[in-house]
Amino acid sequence: QVVLTQSPSASASPGASVKLTCTLSSGHRFFTIAWLQQQPEKAPRFLMKLNSDGSHIRGDGIPDRFSGSSSGAERFLTISSLQSEDEADYYCQTWGSGIWVFGGGTRLTVL
Amino acid sequence: QLQLQESGPGLVKPSETLSVTCAVSGGSIKSSSSYWAWVRQPPGKGLEWIGSIYHSGATYYNPSLENRVIISVDTSKNQFSLKMSSVIAPDTAVYYCADSSDGVLLDFWGQGMLVTVSS
Repeated sequence: QVVLTQSPSASASPGASVKLTCTLSSGHRFFTIAWLQQQPEKAPRFLMKLNSDGSHIRGDGIPDRFSGSSSGAERFLTISSLQSEDEADYYCQTWGSGIWVFGGGTRLTVL
Repeated sequence: QLQLQESGPGLVKPSETLSVTCAVSGGSIKSSSSYWAWVRQPPGKGLEWIGSIYHSGATYYNPSLENRVIISVDTSKNQFSLKMSSVIAPDTAVYYCADSSDGVLLDFWGQGMLVTVSS
């Protein structure tokens, strides 16, 4: 069964860039994932679909400050020109063998 | 524009059955590629997938919950529902319904509703 691993926290300054990581478990390096953003007290929002080759498709209305990339079993979300509203929890999500799976989430603080 | 709206009792007593319904508007629940999911989030914690259903009625459940959960679909009402039996306090959570338009990624979410388990 696929497992997704994320660091629990990250921080960066307004205007800077940050790169968040989601790691797929052994044997699942070719899986496609979704990146989700959950702002405080809000429902999760789909940011993008990210493939193993690094190609990605952003969801409706998602600015191009949000980009994705991949390397082996790692999937990355890069947020550039950080804004205060980017302070949120970020989750990766995938599917395998009839089971939908989430990473534990990374809490991003914009200092 | 697809819209998902959860509804149901916000308070359930321990040992009773939690029931939540998701009304789908702006699209058909019989979309050929869509799977419809339930996800929950206990206060201050991460997201947990509960289960998913296809419009044909085929279901998929989280192994840790499947002995207490039933997900059903009503295509005539364009909605799907979650029932969770024998609830306990740790089942207190915000319950979200979501759409997986490709059967893999959860790309559209309802606003969620808080269900509290308490006597």
